[in-house]
Amino acid sequence: GENVEQHPSTLSVQEGDSAVIKCTYSDSASNYFPWYKQELGKGPQLIIDIRSNVGEKKDQRIAVTLNKTAKHFSLHITETQPEDSAVYFCAALTGGAAGNKLTFGGGTRVLVKP
Amino acid sequence: NAGVTQTPKFRVLKTGQSMTLLCAQDMNHEYMYWYRQDPGMGLRLIHYSVGEGTTAKGEVPDGYNVSRLKKQNFLLGLESAAPSQTSVYFCASSISGRMNTEAFFGQGTRLTVV
Repeated sequence: GENVEQHPSTLSVQEGDSAVIKCTYSDSASNYFPWYKQELGKGPQLIIDIRSNVGEKKDQRIAVTLNKTAKHFSLHITETQPEDSAVYFCAALTGGAAGNKLTFGGGTRVLVKP
Repeated sequence: NAGVTQTPKFRVLKTGQSMTLLCAQDMNHEYMYWYRQDPGMGLRLIHYSVGEGTTAKGEVPDGYNVSRLKKQNFLLGLESAAPSQTSVYFCASSISGRMNTEAFFGQGTRLTVV
């Protein structure tokens, strides 16, 4: 089955600096890669996603890049703010026995220091 | 519009006891999922369902059973709880399993087995 690895597990940045989180996946059939943000005491929420036929996507201060050949994708947060402090998860959509399913990475705890 | 609602939010069980976690969604979604979240291990898929009356195993199904008798509800059962099942459980739903389909998460259930 699919295996998604995420690095780093924790990331501390100064407010205003950039944060980068990297993920690799194992199943070359995976075709959709969302990123979720989880704030304390809440469930994860989708913040951005990318399809396998796209190399990069931006939405204001966040961007995702995908290298399908190398099977890795990254999340970039620019001009970080304290409200960006959260746990971030990458995921990959793959086929399962009964239908597509999302496989998540281990998560990155991001702390933005004011 | 409540989205995805999980009950209960917290529970303490003794080893060997049984319990059922309820997930309800009001978005008419076809797909529903149960994940467990453990420190450093991200979100791991326990079971999922691609429609009413269907269920399928995820990555870590042992010790759990599920049922999807109604489209809006997805129940997760622990027949004989073990300390290894201490975790935070998240339910999610999505309109389908296709690309660009956002998964909406509940607030989570924190379960402690002593």
